[in-house]
Amino acid sequence: TQLLEQSPQFLSIQEGENLTVYCNSSSVFSSLQWYRQEPGEGPVLLVTVVTGGEVKKLKRLTFQFGDARKDSSLHITAAQPGDTGLYLCAGGPLRGAQKLVFGQGTRLTINP
Amino acid sequence: ETGVTQTPRHLVMGMTNKKSLKCEQHLGHNAMYWYKQSAKKPLELMFVYNFKEQTENNSVPSRFSPECPNSSHLFLHLHTLQPEDSALYLCASSQDRGFMNTEAFFGQGTRLTVV
Repeated sequence: TQLLEQSPQFLSIQEGENLTVYCNSSSVFSSLQWYRQEPGEGPVLLVTVVTGGEVKKLKRLTFQFGDARKDSSLHITAAQPGDTGLYLCAGGPLRGAQKLVFGQGTRLTINP
Repeated sequence: ETGVTQTPRHLVMGMTNKKSLKCEQHLGHNAMYWYKQSAKKPLELMFVYNFKEQTENNSVPSRFSPECPNSSHLFLHLHTLQPEDSALYLCASSQDRGFMNTEAFFGQGTRLTVV
């Protein structure tokens, strides 16, 4: 069974601070995705990383895929209240492409 | 507009009721999914349909019955549910490309409360 562990599970910081959340596994994934979910809504895809060591930037968000494709991180610079939400990572297994494996999420709160 | 629409958004039902959740995707995808999201738990995959055929049933109790009449529509029929079935039920779709990456596009979910 492939598992994704996200840390921290909860994070509350002040506006303007930087933060990093992590997504770790003992398994290798063909790709890894990050989603953000706001209360009462479904998850929305932010980014997909596919190559070991890959770094992608989305405005103030920087996503990195580990060299061994077992882990990923999301770094937010100068966090804004609009960044508040549940951040989910999901791994695409090497085989059986349809079955994404989700982490339990990091609930992020940015205080004004 | 995410391209995946779920109805209803909220549903309260008694344990003896029968109800159905509906999902429609406008993205031309060939795979559709039902997920369950409970507090403090990871998203749980329930069912997978590929080209209208069920390809996965993740040990879901028979009180949940999926139906996929075509590649654009997916239903989840509910009967004799338990209070612990209360959760956010999410529908998603993707384009299956074999072993290549699969990105899921989610609907807004149905918040189900069983009383």
